Amino acid sequence: DQQVKQNSPSLSVQEGRISILNCDYTNSMFDYFLWYKKYPAEGPTFLISISSIKDKNEDGRFTVFLNKSAKHLSLHIVPSQPGDSAVYFCAASAMGGNEKLTFGTGTRLTIIP
Amino acid sequence: EADIYQTPRYLVIGTGKKITLECSQTMGHDKMYWYQQDPGMELHLIHYSYGVNSTEKGDLSSESTVSRIRTEHFPLTLESARPSHTSQYLCASRKGLGGSYGYTFGSGTRLTVV
Repeated sequence: DQQVKQNSPSLSVQEGRISILNCDYTNSMFDYFLWYKKYPAEGPTFLISISSIKDKNEDGRFTVFLNKSAKHLSLHIVPSQPGDSAVYFCAASAMGGNEKLTFGTGTRLTIIP
Repeated sequence: EADIYQTPRYLVIGTGKKITLECSQTMGHDKMYWYQQDPGMELHLIHYSYGVNSTEKGDLSSESTVSRIRTEHFPLTLESARPSHTSQYLCASRKGLGGSYGYTFGSGTRLTVV
């Protein structure tokens, strides 16, 4: 039973436009969400996170939106740059659940110059 | 520079061999984790530790074992490697405080058992 789902395995976006990556979750105990970026043959790099008490968190070109009622979060990248091409993983944690992360399967983002 | 290190980066080994994947971090983090990832799949937690002499099994059953004798060191051992163990193994650490700190991951070990 996959508790964190990223239904789009891949996404292509023109350079300079907005990239929107989506993530859905099923476990209502999740209260902390993170996005990671991963290049081939490297470990994931932490990008941005959001607590369930917020509905938006912004860091430079990256913004994460959380819709708790829909159990949905999204990562917006504006403007998209060629260096953003990577696999993006959504992850969730339940604070009372030993803070282990549950990951989605990832979305491969390709930025077209 | 504080970081988390995994060795080796790549390992090809024969069936039945014993292997140890090394993971060390210089950040003084209490919590350390091992994740396993197959291509195109999600990362699955296989082991975690909250401090010295603390180890727990993760969500995905694994034949590997871990130890945490020192804060900075969290090695993973496979007593007898099999082709089904072929995967990428990622080590991570985080501060012992709550939620606002993301994990820091190592570069991973890509293991191939032939």
